[in-house]
Amino acid sequence: QKEVEQNSGPLSVPEGAIASLNCTYSDRGSQSFFWYRQYSGKSPELIMSIYSNGDKEDGRFTAQLNKASQYVSLLIRDSQPSDSATYLCAVNSVRGSTLGRLYFGRGTQLTVWP
Amino acid sequence: DGGITQSPKYLFRKEGQNVTLSCEQNLNHDAMYWYRQDPGQGLRLIYYSQIVNDFQKGDIAEGYSVSREKKESFPLTVTSAQKNPTAFYLCASSIDKGVSIYEQYFGPGTRLTVT
Repeated sequence: QKEVEQNSGPLSVPEGAIASLNCTYSDRGSQSFFWYRQYSGKSPELIMSIYSNGDKEDGRFTAQLNKASQYVSLLIRDSQPSDSATYLCAVNSVRGSTLGRLYFGRGTQLTVWP
Repeated sequence: DGGITQSPKYLFRKEGQNVTLSCEQNLNHDAMYWYRQDPGQGLRLIYYSQIVNDFQKGDIAEGYSVSREKKESFPLTVTSAQKNPTAFYLCASSIDKGVSIYEQYFGPGTRLTVT
């Protein structure tokens, strides 16, 4: 079983729509969750972090966390063509020997068309 | 101007040669990481280091070596034992924000091509 799984995509939405990206994780003890955006040919950029159940909003981005269901999502409202990228979900390790490392999903490629 | 620098951006080597990728950070982060990314694949952890003079193997450490002599620097050597070294190599660093929260930030990456 993979540590972190994301909906494989690709996901395609029209400009102005809501894009929904989903991620599940296997370690029930995980406490911190991150979303990274990676443009083609570039390195990942941290765009959201969430640590508590519920929603966290930052501009057009909303991260949602449900620890009971081991599920984290990212909503992008009013999607723009500039949001077209691969989105990576990452979850922290809580095991003592690997504390400090993140487990990454394989990413979901999002395309926003005008 | 704080950040993580990786050099060079592009690197070309002949098969059988060792090559060292540079990673420097001036963020005063304690932990540093090396990842490899291949087309269509996610990030795979090669090595990471929580403190100076200590590092742990990640999921694909075979054929790679690292050192952590200074807090700011974490160079990665790709040895001739690495079977498929051509990839995009990413260095990251993180700070412990408490309660096992480690936000990782990435450098711009080095694209290595071995022929």
